[in-house]
Amino acid sequence: QKEVEQDPGPLSVPEGAIVSLNCTYSNSAFQYFMWYRQYSRKGPELLMYTYSSGNKEDGRFTAQVDKSSKYISLFIRDSQPSDSATYLCAMSYAGGSYIPTFGRGTSLIVHP
Amino acid sequence: DVKVTQSSRYLVKRTGEKVFLECVQDMDHENMFWYRQDPGLGLRLIYFSYDVKMKEKGDIPEGYSVSREKKERFSLILESASTNQTSMYLCASHGRDSSRYGYTFGSGTRLTVV
Repeated sequence: QKEVEQDPGPLSVPEGAIVSLNCTYSNSAFQYFMWYRQYSRKGPELLMYTYSSGNKEDGRFTAQVDKSSKYISLFIRDSQPSDSATYLCAMSYAGGSYIPTFGRGTSLIVHP
Repeated sequence: DVKVTQSSRYLVKRTGEKVFLECVQDMDHENMFWYRQDPGLGLRLIYFSYDVKMKEKGDIPEGYSVSREKKERFSLILESASTNQTSMYLCASHGRDSSRYGYTFGSGTRLTVV
């Protein structure tokens, strides 16, 4: 079992839909949870991160962490065609190694 | 904004050539990384460096080496390029304060070895 599992998609939704992107993980020691967005032929860019459990909101984006279920989510409200990209989750420890563990990414397509 | 600049967006090299991929960051970050990204395999760490002249192997170092002579510059070297090294190469950096959550990636170098 991989440490971080992420459905590769593609996930295709109409413009304006609410999108839910998810990752599951197996290592309960992870404390930092990150979401990166990667447009085609570009490098990933950090969208947002959370520490431990809870929610974090930034505009149309909400990150959720459920440590009891080892499950994290990224919600996108009022999705736009410009949100079409690959979304990667990543996780790291609070101490020791600072190298994050990445999911393989979910491809999202928002069609007009 | 932190900038991580990779010198080439696209490269085509021949099998057996020695290839240099350059990465420069402008935010005085201590830690720098080289990844390759392949469809279905995700990001795989090749090498990283936590200080000048320091290097650590990642998950797939075979066939690669690195050089960090200055804090802002981290070079990836393919000693003798092979077709299985055709990939997207991504450089990243972060500072000690943001080491748990703050990777900044470059735009990537798409390398094709023929």
